[in-house]
Amino acid sequence: GAVVSQHPSRVICKSGTSVKIECRSLDFQATTMFWYRQFPKQSLMLMATSNEGSKATYEQGVEKDKFLINHASLTLSTLTVTSAHPEDSSFYICSASALSGSTDTQYFGPGTRLTVL
Amino acid sequence: LAKTTQPISMDSYEGQEVNITCSHNNIATNDYITWYQQFPSQGPRFIIQGYKTKVTNEVASLFIPADRKSSTLSLPRVSLSDTAVYYCLVGDKGLGNDMRFGAGTRLTVKP
Repeated sequence: GAVVSQHPSRVICKSGTSVKIECRSLDFQATTMFWYRQFPKQSLMLMATSNEGSKATYEQGVEKDKFLINHASLTLSTLTVTSAHPEDSSFYICSASALSGSTDTQYFGPGTRLTVL
Repeated sequence: LAKTTQPISMDSYEGQEVNITCSHNNIATNDYITWYQQFPSQGPRFIIQGYKTKVTNEVASLFIPADRKSSTLSLPRVSLSDTAVYYCLVGDKGLGNDMRFGAGTRLTVKP
């Protein structure tokens, strides 16, 4: 299947700093990418939908000024957690939509573990 | 968006067939059904996708009745490594469709 990478896989930062997470589709072009957050023992929570060349669409309750999303190309989307606080510590996962003919499947990255001290 | 309902957890033993059912009563005409597997601290992994009847690949089968209001993921002869959380998602095939996860089913395979 298609491959999606994330970088970094793990990051530890001090409270108040900003952290950027990259999501790349390695072998296909992704018009749409999705960002999720997952807390321990919970399901994935959709944060935003990112379309190449346009502003991201955020889910209700997700602060767009805190979670900056940039989808600059068909293979790269970035999520920047600005002024991170301990409550932002979570597992962040991206996915990319791969369209092949009439099928459309989401492929997920390996996730980024963010720990804010 | 069609909401999905799955059992919270299931237990099985090695070598058994496991069937996980997902309810999606308000599935739309354009919606497809996709199942994912997730191990701890990893991103979900695509298992299988279907629209109606039966779909089979090298790891699983997906059974979808005619009314499409439910679907069943069938894992043949599970092993310990199949212990994971399984998610059923329902969504439009078009680009830009969003994918909201339900609670998933935590499958535990015992020796």
